[in-house]
Amino acid sequence: NAGVMQNPRHLVRRRGQEARLRCSPMKGHSHVYWYRQLPEEGLKFMVYLQKENIIDESGMPKERFSAEFPKEGPSILRIQQVVRGDSAAYFCASSSLQNYGYTFGSGTRLTVV
Amino acid sequence: ELKVEQNPLFLSMQEGKNYTIYCNYSTTSDRLYWYRQDPGKSLESLFVLLSNGAVKQEGRLMASLDTKARLSTLHITAAVHDLSATYFCAVDIVTSGSRLTFGEGTQLTVNP
Repeated sequence: NAGVMQNPRHLVRRRGQEARLRCSPMKGHSHVYWYRQLPEEGLKFMVYLQKENIIDESGMPKERFSAEFPKEGPSILRIQQVVRGDSAAYFCASSSLQNYGYTFGSGTRLTVV
Repeated sequence: ELKVEQNPLFLSMQEGKNYTIYCNYSTTSDRLYWYRQDPGKSLESLFVLLSNGAVKQEGRLMASLDTKARLSTLHITAAVHDLSATYFCAVDIVTSGSRLTFGEGTQLTVNP
């Protein structure tokens, strides 16, 4: 069981470029969550998805950010026209209905230069 | 809006000493979690507490939950250097969409 897989681990983008972060949940998990961690801060919820559905996107910035979890393939967090303030660690977590608890991936550390 | 507050935010202690980290939350929750994070790493799940009076222990760490006071504690016994990390508590409310709300974290440094 490979756990929650995130890639890339590190991503450097210039201001104005697009960033795509990928997350494959644990086998058997159908719920995916994205969190953002700014330096020296706790994690902040962004979005909760199930296959082909966005369940809760109340933590997503209104512009430039989008997320999807297609029927096939990983969940994608997409940030368009990145700015320096987007530099952060982005963590994905997955869970199942059968048991409580969330398993976190290793995170993607985005640096905008 | 659910708020989760931890204190202290920074804790420096000597090896062999005991200390407690506190986690308060503002509304009734379904589950409370404690996580450990080492610098540049992901979150490692330590404990999940489900009901009032729940107590769980693993090695030198013990977590408890008082749902009436909306308070959880993480007690460290006879600290060792390897416990140096940032500890987060987090709460979720299933009826609100099942997502975690995190505290700010407690950065623990254990000095020899």
